[in-house]
Amino acid sequence: DTAVSQTPKYLVTQMGNDKSIKCEQNLGHDTMYWYKQDSKKFLKIMFSYNNKELIINETVPNRFSPKSPDKAHLNLHINSLELGDSAVYFCASSQASGGQETQYFGPGTRLLVL
Amino acid sequence: RKEVEQDPGPFNVPEGATVAFNCTYSNSASQSFFWYRQDCRKEPKLLMSVYSSGNEDGRFTAQLNRASQYISLLIRDSKLSDSATYLCVVNRWQLTFGSGTQLTVLP
Repeated sequence: DTAVSQTPKYLVTQMGNDKSIKCEQNLGHDTMYWYKQDSKKFLKIMFSYNNKELIINETVPNRFSPKSPDKAHLNLHINSLELGDSAVYFCASSQASGGQETQYFGPGTRLLVL
Repeated sequence: RKEVEQDPGPFNVPEGATVAFNCTYSNSASQSFFWYRQDCRKEPKLLMSVYSSGNEDGRFTAQLNRASQYISLLIRDSKLSDSATYLCVVNRWQLTFGSGTQLTVLP
């Protein structure tokens, strides 16, 4: 069974479109994250949710809106996509927040904005 | 200055070689430290945590020097399957990743 799953795996879209990426974890973890990995391979945290509550919101444009319907799911909606949004987006989860616990990553969603 | 800095490599080494990666971090308030491994076009996975006293897991040895704000990873007897990017990761209250060091182990 996949521990952290994301859909879709690949997403190719035009500038200006709105798209969503879904994430689910079946590990029973309380904390979930979204990371962005750009073309230079830097992995940067975007958001973190603990028990459906937002706890980390890095400097991310407000075109990005995370939603956590329950603690097993953390979705990412992106409005008005821009070329610079092209990247790999990873969802992750951990037992608790604070960074001490091992984070388990999903397989990534490769987003290409044309 | 980047919060976590690593030599990007690439390191190309023959099978059986010993290879060492270094990492420095800028925030002295950082609390915990890790090495993650990321295979090509895959997600990062935890390789090992790094403890102040140094720790070993099979062929892998991690060291931390808090005074110098320096972390290292030593891989002994390299295998082809060790080829990957190794990410130095530092935690204050969230994880901050280095850009990774690429390792290729050659037959």
